Amino acid sequence: DTEVTQTPKHLVMGMTNKKSLKCEQHMGHRAMYWYKQKAKKPPELMFVYSYEKLSINESVPSRFSPECPNSSLLNLHLHALQPEDSALYLCASSPQGTYGYTFGSGTRLTVV
Amino acid sequence: QKEVEQDPGPLSVPEGAIVSLNCTYSNSAFQYFMWYRQYSRKGPELLMYTYSSGNKEDGRFTAQVDKSSKYISLFIRDSQPSDSATYLCAMSAGYSSASKIIFGSGTRLSIRP
Repeated sequence: DTEVTQTPKHLVMGMTNKKSLKCEQHMGHRAMYWYKQKAKKPPELMFVYSYEKLSINESVPSRFSPECPNSSLLNLHLHALQPEDSALYLCASSPQGTYGYTFGSGTRLTVV
Repeated sequence: QKEVEQDPGPLSVPEGAIVSLNCTYSNSAFQYFMWYRQYSRKGPELLMYTYSSGNKEDGRFTAQVDKSSKYISLFIRDSQPSDSATYLCAMSAGYSSASKIIFGSGTRLSIRP
């Protein structure tokens, strides 16, 4: 299995809702990442998990809460989002480092 | 000044042409250089990964890095309509997962049949 699987593919949520994005990989990669990508912009790093521990938080607002329950799974919990948070949320994994990044297809999030 | 500059295009070329995509950067600490391809509504896919200066070839793709000029290129030979996508250059100063990857803004490429 050489894929990173993200669910759901699309999500529409209200500003008072709580939702979660899920990311799964079975490649044995020990680093997992969340990125945010706005239309026609490059991906922006949000969080890095290394060996299931949060190693980088790029000053992301607390309404985004990451969780890594095990080495194969990464969640992003969303609460009280703003319309400007609407974007494509990408999960990626790598063996350990910048080589061999594999991105998922993303969750397209719309906040209404 | 952005750390990584990339012409957004769009770039349109006929099928079979050689395509040249370029990025410049300002941070001399960058040592690892990547090219990603992103189709519409998909995540980026790693095409090429190079360390320091030099050339790397993989099939129809050739990546070049000139650290003295802070300039990287991706060449696509015998371009196909399936190569139509957005191409993102990316670079980092280190190899570890703690090394932040900086992406260019992407060049939209269209190959005309």
